Amino acid sequence: KAGVTQTPRYLIKTRGQQVTLSCSPISGHRSVSWYQQTPGQGLQFLFEYFSETQRNKGNFPGRFSGRQFSNSRSEMNVSTLELGDSALYLCASSFAPNHQPQHFGDGTRLSIL
Amino acid sequence: GQQLNQSPQSMFIQEGEDVSMNCTSSSIFNTWLWYKQDPGEGPVLLIALYKAGELTSNGRLTAQFGITRKDSFLNISASIPSDVGIYFCAGQQSYGGSQGNLIFGKGTKLSVKP
Repeated sequence: KAGVTQTPRYLIKTRGQQVTLSCSPISGHRSVSWYQQTPGQGLQFLFEYFSETQRNKGNFPGRFSGRQFSNSRSEMNVSTLELGDSALYLCASSFAPNHQPQHFGDGTRLSIL
Repeated sequence: GQQLNQSPQSMFIQEGEDVSMNCTSSSIFNTWLWYKQDPGEGPVLLIALYKAGELTSNGRLTAQFGITRKDSFLNISASIPSDVGIYFCAGQQSYGGSQGNLIFGKGTKLSVKP
């Protein structure tokens, strides 16, 4: 059974650009959550999508957005990139909103120059 | 926001030793999860706990859901070199019948004793 797949694995951008990251959940999982992981702040919740609707949002600025498609795949977008956005962005999937356990992908490492 | 206090922050292990780590909070949680993360990879679920007092094992790993619902413990018995990595606890609370987001501890980094 395929796990959570995130693409791309690595990305380098410059300040002011925007970026889109993709996540394909485990087959049968309909809920997708996104997290930002940094050495200083650890793992922080960004948002969760279920049935193409954002169900929950963490404490991040509006530059961070996402969406979910009818096949449960999700994308997150960060606009007007800042140096502080450099992080590992992790996606996790589960059967239903906030249903545990969540299973994680290997993340997208985003570096801002 | 809510915080989970995970300790120790780091520890060195020698092959064969038992390892203990824990996660505490001032608030009640109704689910505890333990994950392990290796360099360049995402967190991998080790054990999930859903009931106060629950004790669950996964091979050499044993985790417990504290009876007060404010803490959880993870033990690794007879450690081996591939146990090195970062271990995260995560907790989930209920709000008016619905489930909250996962809140993560800062991690315990396991390294091999030089």
